Amino acid sequence: DGGITQSPKYLFRKEGQNVTLSCEQNLNHDAMYWYRQDPGQGLRLIYYSQIVNDFQKGDIAEGYSVSREKKESFPLTVTSAQKNPTAFYLCASSPRTHTGELFFGEGSRLTVL
Amino acid sequence: DAKTTQPTSMDCAEGRAANLPCNHSTISGNEYVYWYRQIHSQGPQYIIHGLKNNETNEMASLIITEDRKSSTLILPHATLRDTAVYYCIVRDTSTGGGNKLTFGTGTQLKVEL
Repeated sequence: DGGITQSPKYLFRKEGQNVTLSCEQNLNHDAMYWYRQDPGQGLRLIYYSQIVNDFQKGDIAEGYSVSREKKESFPLTVTSAQKNPTAFYLCASSPRTHTGELFFGEGSRLTVL
Repeated sequence: DAKTTQPTSMDCAEGRAANLPCNHSTISGNEYVYWYRQIHSQGPQYIIHGLKNNETNEMASLIITEDRKSSTLILPHATLRDTAVYYCIVRDTSTGGGNKLTFGTGTQLKVEL
């Protein structure tokens, strides 16, 4: 089935460790996005990429890094510089055309102990 | 992007129509209205979008007022599975950033027996 796969679904890490969240899509979409969601809050954009080997900062990029070496993959690294990394992380993709339709994965819940 | 205002929460009886309002009084001519929903601990799901005319698909109907300053998402026969947070988003996706959407806190719809 076509879709977006995020892994792992749940992740526990110690404070000060870098963590990489995986996002893979087989929808042949050009654009991919990472959002963060805190309890009771809306989604905030971390990074997005409209094409391979190119990405832009979103509203809350500090403490995060991404890469886009392949069209299908857009991994997110939560670095030790992120002051409050415990959150629900959502990856999305969309066609290059400006339809406003995002396809989301099931999310990764990161807990930093 | 224009700001949207939605009620924090709403209740609806199962089988009845759920009418979710959204105010976007500062919307500009090129901005579309998008609706997404997010079931607890899952990724958001696209529902529908429109510019001026009313729209309908298999999930819902979108009614946009003539002055475009507000809209209503209608779920014609709500079921328990429609319990979710519903997000109303306004965006001109033809500008830079592609399908970069901003999700607020939305409306928590609770469908009850």
